[in-house]
Amino acid sequence: QKEVEQDPGPLSVPEGAIVSLNCTYSNSAFQYFMWYRQYSRKGPELLMYTYSSGNKEDGRFTAQVDKSSKYISLFIRDSQPSDSATYLCEFAQGAQKLVFGQGTRLTINP
Amino acid sequence: GAGVSQTPSNKVTEKGKYVELRCDPISGHTALYWYRQSLGQGPEFLIYFQGTGAADDSGLPNDRFFAVRPEGSVSTLKIQRTERGDSAVYLCASSVGVLGAYEQYFGPGTRLTVT
Repeated sequence: QKEVEQDPGPLSVPEGAIVSLNCTYSNSAFQYFMWYRQYSRKGPELLMYTYSSGNKEDGRFTAQVDKSSKYISLFIRDSQPSDSATYLCEFAQGAQKLVFGQGTRLTINP
Repeated sequence: GAGVSQTPSNKVTEKGKYVELRCDPISGHTALYWYRQSLGQGPEFLIYFQGTGAADDSGLPNDRFFAVRPEGSVSTLKIQRTERGDSAVYLCASSVGVLGAYEQYFGPGTRLTVT
């Protein structure tokens, strides 16, 4: 079983839709849960990080962590064409173990 | 302020050659990370530095790969006897400190092609 699983997509939705991106993990020692956005030929850009189970909201983005199910999600409301990018989940066990998901390629169609 | 910078942006080299990739982190960031990203994959951890020392090099694939950070700022990733399988984008990131590993700032990467 892979330590982190992320559906690579591609995922294509119309502008204004709510987008749900998900990752599952197997290592219960992971403490931090991050979401990055990566545009083509650019480095990843941190969107949000969470430490505990529950929801964290920042503008149109909501990160959700369910430690009991080992499942994290990123929701994007009112999606825009500028949100088209690859979204990466990352997990950290302190600073010692940093693991990224494969990335989900998202396209928002005008 | 200035973000993480990486040079060169692109590097094409022949199989068997030696390459050096440079990373200039955000000023004041004590932790520095190297990752490798293959096409269609997420970044794969290689090594991280806290200050001048390599705190964790468990991700380096073999002894052809080596990284240094002699003054606790700029870092260089060195690859000897390059192989075609080394072709990838090499990403560098920095954070305020090791406890800030969850808040990393990435550079644009160096695209390495081994022919």
